[in-house]
Amino acid sequence: DAGITQSPRHKVTETGTPVTLRCHQTENHRYMYWYRQDPGHGLRLIHYSYGVKDTDKGEVSDGYSVSRSKTEDFLLTLESATSSQTSVYFCAISESYSYEQYFGPGTRLTVT
Amino acid sequence: GNSVTQMEGPVTLSEEAFLTINCTYTATGYPSLFWYVQYPGEGLQLLLKATKADDKGSNKGFEATYRKETTSFHLEKGSVQVSDSAVYFCALSQGGIQGAQKLVFGQGTRLTINP
Repeated sequence: DAGITQSPRHKVTETGTPVTLRCHQTENHRYMYWYRQDPGHGLRLIHYSYGVKDTDKGEVSDGYSVSRSKTEDFLLTLESATSSQTSVYFCAISESYSYEQYFGPGTRLTVT
Repeated sequence: GNSVTQMEGPVTLSEEAFLTINCTYTATGYPSLFWYVQYPGEGLQLLLKATKADDKGSNKGFEATYRKETTSFHLEKGSVQVSDSAVYFCALSQGGIQGAQKLVFGQGTRLTINP
C-alpha cells in the first residue's frame, strides 16, 4: 500500500470555524490531489499540486484553499466552514506521468 | 466539460452471477479510462485502466474495453464472489498543469453479492 495518511480521520466542527485537513505521503510522489465524496456525485476534484508551492484549482474549489510547503504534505483549509462542506475528503498521490492515483483512507468532516 | 455516467445502483447479485456495470463518458480528446473500487471504510483502489481506444483493461477477473465509437467502458466479470461487494467508480483523466492527471468520476455503483 502507498504510504498516505490523512489527519484527522473524523472531525465535527461548527459553521463559520476554520478547518485544516492534512495529507502526508512517504512515497516522494510529485502530484497530490484533494477530492470530496458526496452521495450521487462520486468524487470531485477540489485542488491539486504539481510540485512544492505549485497548486491549481479543480472542479469544486470555492471555499477551499491549499498549501504545499514540502513534498510530503498537502494541506486543505476551509477558511469558514459551511454545512455544504460536510463530506468525506480524500487525498491522492501519483508519480510523474503516471496515470494511477493512490488514495488515502479519507477524512469524514461534519459541519453543524 | 468532460463527464462520466454510470448505471444507477444499487446492484444485487447472487454469487457466481455475471456482472456488468455500464459506464459512458463525454470528453474532448482521448482520455484514459479507469475503474476504481472502494471497499467499506476505505479509500479507492485502482481496479483496471485503459489508455487508448480498443485497449482492454483487466484485473482480478474484471475486464473493461475502451470503446471510442460508443464512448463506453463497461465493467464485466464472469462469476462474482461475495468479496466483490463494494462501490465501483468509473473515471476518466483530463490533463492538468505539468503532467498532472485530474480524474473525473461517475457517481459510483454499489454492488452487493449474496452467498
